[in-house]
Amino acid sequence: AQSVTQLGSHVSVSEGALVLLRCNYSSSVPPYLFWYVQYPNQGLQLLLKYTSAATLVKGINGFEAEFKKSETSFHLTKPSAHMSDAAEYFCAVSEGSGYSTLTFGKGTMLLVSP
Amino acid sequence: DGGITQSPKYLFRKEGQNVTLSCEQNLNHDAMYWYRQDPGQGLRLIYYSQIVNDFQKGDIAEGYSVSREKKESFPLTVTSAQKNPTAFYLCASFRDSSTGELFFGEGSRLTVL
Repeated sequence: AQSVTQLGSHVSVSEGALVLLRCNYSSSVPPYLFWYVQYPNQGLQLLLKYTSAATLVKGINGFEAEFKKSETSFHLTKPSAHMSDAAEYFCAVSEGSGYSTLTFGKGTMLLVSP
Repeated sequence: DGGITQSPKYLFRKEGQNVTLSCEQNLNHDAMYWYRQDPGQGLRLIYYSQIVNDFQKGDIAEGYSVSREKKESFPLTVTSAQKNPTAFYLCASFRDSSTGELFFGEGSRLTVL
């Protein structure tokens, strides 16, 4: 069975600082991994996804994530935080192949202070 | 533009009433999903449907019902049997069957008074 653990329900950074949001997964097969972002009272928007091509994945808004199989991790980073990055971020895993469902982590709220 | 439309955005109901949340997509996606979101609990799968006239229970289906009479539509009914219905409900459709990527609507917030 697949599962996702996001370390830290809240992460606080200053504007311009490095953003690091942690995600560890468990999967019985090579996984597909996703990061989604959610702004208040809105749906989820895909930031980036890993589909076994490159281990370093670049997404929208300057975010990127690195797939590390040995650590079963898919941490999300951004070199310099912007106020507009304040939102909730969800990591998700899928075992792919057909209409399999995504399993989501519990989310990490990113707070950005001026 | 293609997308998923959920309505209403906000809904208030009295305890004991059934309510139906609408989800319509014009993306021509086969599979559709309903998730429930509560603070600090992430997204939990309620029901999903891979094709018209067929649907499967997710992890928390008790107290909910769905139908899939058309490819474009997947309404969710929150029944009076759902013990704690106040939540944010998200509808999604299957964007990429090779990787499992989902495309989400804007959500409906249900508050039971």
